[in-house]
Amino acid sequence: DIQMTQSPSSLSASVGDRVTITCRTSQTIDTYLNWYQHKPGRTPNLLIYRASSLQSGVPSRFTGSGSGTDFTLTISSLQPEDFATYYCQQSYTAPNTFGQGTKVDIK
Amino acid sequence: EVQLVQSEAEVRKPGECLKISCQVSGYSFTNYWIGWVRQMPGKGLEWMGIIYPGDSDTRYSPSFQGLVSISADKSINTTYLGLNNLKASDIGIYYCARHSIGGSIASPFDYWGQGTLVTVSS
Repeated sequence: DIQMTQSPSSLSASVGDRVTITCRTSQTIDTYLNWYQHKPGRTPNLLIYRASSLQSGVPSRFTGSGSGTDFTLTISSLQPEDFATYYCQQSYTAPNTFGQGTKVDIK
Repeated sequence: EVQLVQSEAEVRKPGECLKISCQVSGYSFTNYWIGWVRQMPGKGLEWMGIIYPGDSDTRYSPSFQGLVSISADKSINTTYLGLNNLKASDIGIYYCARHSIGGSIASPFDYWGQGTLVTVSS
């Protein structure tokens, strides 16, 4: 299996902050990396696919970058509705493993 | 409109079996891989396995191989997750989700079911 390592596991931030979450994979996956947002009581929501493509309907403050084994999700200006847990996932090969998640909460 | 509708919450005793359903609508059921994802209480998302309803090709995570079974019924656009010999460690929310590109596993999950809460208690 491809191992996914997200960091940090949690962070506290304020509205308006720039937030960066990283994801590292145990082997190269080209750009087959996806990012999801998950709020309690809701279903996960796809934000970014193929490392940097913004899913339809997702605000442009979310950007993704990276290739190979190192990837980044950036929220340019954190909004109140962005407090959630974020997961990376590789879709290079099955099992399409998830990272352990990064919880973003209010400072 | 694409929809994945899962069966309701279940309560079972240890050792019992359970089958959760995920009925889809709004797209061609047989042409897209569907996956199952678990979230244990307070934990992250775990990829369990996937099925291609067109031919029932199935892949499992090694962590779940032999512990769960995934199947599909093309006549009613439904996929199932079977859980055997339930334990307290099976407690969690189980989601079904559709891969976004027809016929391709190399794509994200774009539509998700609402989740099914499974409780195991004697």
